[in-house]
Amino acid sequence: ETGVTQTPRHLVMGMTNKKSLKCEQHLGHNAMYWYKQSAKKPLELMFVYSLEERVENNSVPSRFSPECPNSSHLFLHLHTLQPEDSALYLCASSQVPGHTPNTGELFFGEGSRLTVL
Amino acid sequence: GENVEQHPSTLSVQEGDSAVIKCTYSDSASNYFPWYKQELGKRPQLIIDIRSNVGEKKDQRIAVTLNKTAKHFSLHITETQPEDSAVYFCAANIPNTGNQFYFGTGTSLTVIP
Repeated sequence: ETGVTQTPRHLVMGMTNKKSLKCEQHLGHNAMYWYKQSAKKPLELMFVYSLEERVENNSVPSRFSPECPNSSHLFLHLHTLQPEDSALYLCASSQVPGHTPNTGELFFGEGSRLTVL
Repeated sequence: GENVEQHPSTLSVQEGDSAVIKCTYSDSASNYFPWYKQELGKRPQLIIDIRSNVGEKKDQRIAVTLNKTAKHFSLHITETQPEDSAVYFCAANIPNTGNQFYFGTGTSLTVIP
């Protein structure tokens, strides 16, 4: 099994739909992240859960809602999205400094390609 | 928050030549600087990293340098090969804010055979 697994890999939804992206990590990490990757833009950090606590990110619209039920699973709930939300959504995990093992590396999943019609 | 700038956005080199990508950061609290390579349609993967207590690190054809005073770090690829063609991202990590990573805008490297 790969380190960080994301489902679905591709998702097409209408602006009125509600869907969720799922991420699971098998690396024993204690921090998980959602990043948005759009064409010609930097990787945008959306949400961070560190030691199962959410680090607030006020710049993310409320139509995106994260959920982290435990240190291995992370969800991104989507509702009433806009076409400009179409992008690749990457999940990642890492180990918080001071906790073993600590290489500091950020491990990415393959991403979920979202298209909003 | 942290602001990471990366240059150039595109880079083309002849096979065998060297490639250099430069990044600057703004927050002196950043202490870990990884570089990621993303091939088309694939996930970003770590290729080399450097911590703030080190000035230079090398791994075969890849090296990274860090100047803490000037807040900039660079990726150097020597003897480039066609398989080095990809998008490269620099990042800065602030460990005491939920272990957040901030990325540069990426450099699309093309190695011409």
